[in-house]
Amino acid sequence: EPEVTQTPSHQVTQMGQEVILRCVPISNHLYFYWYRQILGQKVEFLVSFYNNEISEKSEIFDDQFSVERPDGSNFTLKIRSTKLEDSAMYFCASSERGGLFFGSGTQLSVL
Amino acid sequence: GENVEQHPSTLSVQEGDSAVIKCTYSDSASNYFPWYKQELGKRPQLIIDIRSNVGEKKDQRIAVTLNKTAKHFSLHITETQPEDSAVYFCAASGNYGQNFVFGPGTRLSVLP
Repeated sequence: EPEVTQTPSHQVTQMGQEVILRCVPISNHLYFYWYRQILGQKVEFLVSFYNNEISEKSEIFDDQFSVERPDGSNFTLKIRSTKLEDSAMYFCASSERGGLFFGSGTQLSVL
Repeated sequence: GENVEQHPSTLSVQEGDSAVIKCTYSDSASNYFPWYKQELGKRPQLIIDIRSNVGEKKDQRIAVTLNKTAKHFSLHITETQPEDSAVYFCAASGNYGQNFVFGPGTRLSVLP
């Protein structure tokens, strides 16, 4: 069964550094998303992406964040100048025309 | 924007009993309502979904009902088993590609 894959599974970084989280969505899916989940809390929307552009973004997704689809398969989330409060599990998800299929997540720890 | 509420936040049932989790949404334009199960340390997994043109959908031991007028939808799990223990999230979405808004989750514990 096709899966969304994410790398790395864990990322530790120093406050102020930049990180890039990578995702390979399911190949025939059209819509791509980034969500984050702070431990024990709900899944929070960051951004959705369709047809090579952002279709919707949340208040969380400010100038510190950016997304790219650098080639036909990868979908990346860049977080610049990381802050302690950026520590969370970041999930990539993709969708064809229905429910979201989530990747296994990247646990980001900002020290 | 859309707001999704979910109750209860925690639910304990005896093995074999039924469990019901309820969600309400605020945006009448939402038309797709999936449910996700998240086991500890794992990704949310889609378990069942319903669209606004349907009132009820069933898949083996799980079912979802939707009342569009009242803007609420519910997850029903019958004959619960210990492996049903997890956090369950409801969500609401509108048109394709739009944000999925998640409820705060329900921690279900099935006691043997």
